[in-house]
Amino acid sequence: EDQVTQSPEALRLQEGESSSLNCSYTVSGLRGLFWYRQDPGKGPEFLFTLYSAGEEKEKERLKATLTKKESFLHITAPKPEDSATYLCAGGDSWGKFQFGAGTQVVVTP
Amino acid sequence: GAVVSQHPSWVICKSGTSVKIECRSLDFQATTMFWYRQFPKQSLMLMATSNEGSKATYEQGVEKDKFLINHASLTLSTLTVTSAHPEDSSFYICSATRTSGLETQYFGPGTRLLVL
Repeated sequence: EDQVTQSPEALRLQEGESSSLNCSYTVSGLRGLFWYRQDPGKGPEFLFTLYSAGEEKEKERLKATLTKKESFLHITAPKPEDSATYLCAGGDSWGKFQFGAGTQVVVTP
Repeated sequence: GAVVSQHPSWVICKSGTSVKIECRSLDFQATTMFWYRQFPKQSLMLMATSNEGSKATYEQGVEKDKFLINHASLTLSTLTVTSAHPEDSSFYICSATRTSGLETQYFGPGTRLLVL
């Protein structure tokens, strides 16, 4: 059965304390791995797309990496405004996404 | 950019009534639109995929007669929840892509539905 699993479920960080979120997947026919940020009561906001093992993408304090079985979202020196739920999704060739349950990140000043 | 809007942002209705939710791509033509449902503290669950001018494809377990989807143009898709019941209360989110293959989905802001 196709699965996308994210860990940890929740993460509490001090401002400036770097950490990593994990997204492991067993999606047959996976063609892309997508990261989104979701704020409470809002729709997901696109962050990164990764297509090949070894690929890395970076944006401000966020960096996403991909291996054959998992992806990591690294948050470097986070700020309170980085507090959100981070979602990863596996996409198949038809364009359908399967989302993980998300990691809720809280960054305290 | 790739902006997707939804209307209404929230709706309260009585049990047994029908509710229509609109999803619009504002600055691009959306060949494909997706409809998701998200319950509190849970992730997004895909309900259906719709391509412009075609019938929607529903995920297993989603009742197509209850959740009517129409994708009449390249910028508008609608989801109608028919004969809504309290268990249909949820956060409904649409997304859109320019093509029908794999690409980034751009999401709307969501519609909160509460059925009394």
